[in-house]
Amino acid sequence: AQTVTQSQPEMSVQEAETVTLSCTYDTSESDYYLFWYKQPPSRQMILVIRQEAYKQQNATENRFSVNFQKAAKSFSLKISDSQLGDAAMYFCAYRSAGGNKLVFGAGTILRVKS
Amino acid sequence: GAGVSQSPSNKVTEKGKDVELRCDPISGHTALYWYRQRLGQGLEFLIYFQGNSAPDKSGLPSDRFSAERTGESVSTLTIQRTQQEDSAVYLCASSRRLAKETQYFGPGTRLLVL
Repeated sequence: AQTVTQSQPEMSVQEAETVTLSCTYDTSESDYYLFWYKQPPSRQMILVIRQEAYKQQNATENRFSVNFQKAAKSFSLKISDSQLGDAAMYFCAYRSAGGNKLVFGAGTILRVKS
Repeated sequence: GAGVSQSPSNKVTEKGKDVELRCDPISGHTALYWYRQRLGQGLEFLIYFQGNSAPDKSGLPSDRFSAERTGESVSTLTIQRTQQEDSAVYLCASSRRLAKETQYFGPGTRLLVL
């Protein structure tokens, strides 16, 4: 079975600075998808960024980018120019290419200091 | 368009009572998923629907949990004889089809069993 590990229970960043959230996963599959979701106190899970394993190029969405290292099974999220609104719980998730369910890590709480 | 909606937003019940949680997916989304999030933890997959059939029920924790879906619309998750360990946030997600599509989440139902 696939597993997702987020080793940082909590991170802090100064407003306007850059922070990187770590995620590693374990799988024997070669084709899959990786996601970062944000969950603010409202509980609404919001998709931040998505990466297809067959793509070598790292995904980017505005201030959010990933460092996808397939051989190392690592998928970190970099948030540039951090804003107060970025404060939330961030979840890394995995899904098999032919599968349905998402497998989530335990999450990282991100605090943004003004 | 409208996102995934869930009701009730919060539910407090007494141990041993039955509860029903409702999910309205995004219109046109054929796949629907239920997840459970215990306090301070990541999401656990419960069940997924493709149309009104449930090919994967592997995450349902016991036979007290069941779910149904009417066509490609609303789904109901039922927990019978609730226990205190059932207390959690129950999140629903939907996507256009099984493979490749991103899952969009509702705001969840927070269930507290006293």
